[in-house]
Amino acid sequence: NAGVTQTPKFQVLKTGQSMTLQCAQDMNHNSMYWYRQDPGMGLRLIYYSASEGTTDKGEVPNGYNVSRLNKREFSLRLESAAPSQTSVYFCASSVENYGYTFGSGTRLTVV
Amino acid sequence: AQSVTQLGSHVSVSEGALVLLRCNYSSSVPPYLFWYVQYPNQGLQLLLKYTSAATLVKGINGFEAEFKKSETSFHLTKPSAHMSDAAEYFCAVSSSGAGSYQLTFGKGTKLSVIP
Repeated sequence: NAGVTQTPKFQVLKTGQSMTLQCAQDMNHNSMYWYRQDPGMGLRLIYYSASEGTTDKGEVPNGYNVSRLNKREFSLRLESAAPSQTSVYFCASSVENYGYTFGSGTRLTVV
Repeated sequence: AQSVTQLGSHVSVSEGALVLLRCNYSSSVPPYLFWYVQYPNQGLQLLLKYTSAATLVKGINGFEAEFKKSETSFHLTKPSAHMSDAAEYFCAVSSSGAGSYQLTFGKGTKLSVIP
């Protein structure tokens, strides 16, 4: 029972490099989300996908793109990383209003 | 728009003492409310949720929370703190939009338990 799986767990990027964070869930949830967590800021929504084939911006979408590849997978892409994107990124999935299941996070450092 | 305010970014209690973590919300519609716990270097784990049934909600690890509409509050309590309760706690409110259920989180309260 894997739940929500995120890869990689850690990553260091140089400014201007690109990368994709991967997320997959095996619970047949329709909705998936990407959040970033910064000290003292709580979690802020970057993008979400209500169902396969749809994506929408959240509170802090600038500098990010997403792809809902299928019902299971929702990836987050940084096209040109900036130091301000140093953060811990969490993927989550949900069914209706029963709360989220979170992945274990990706700790990203941009130098 | 919905929002959550958690009063106190850090709370310290003695082992065996009452834990009280405060959460106030604003919502234009009946809210769904959640408390999550995050242990160091881990993801968030659901503690409990309020979904318009009973106003007193019991969760895991001995925690409970009471929904008070008149005070727009959803405070988290535990009668007796244990060392293993040291973690960061997040209150969240749910909105429904475009078929998804977006959670808006508070900034978190870090709980320290003093032996």
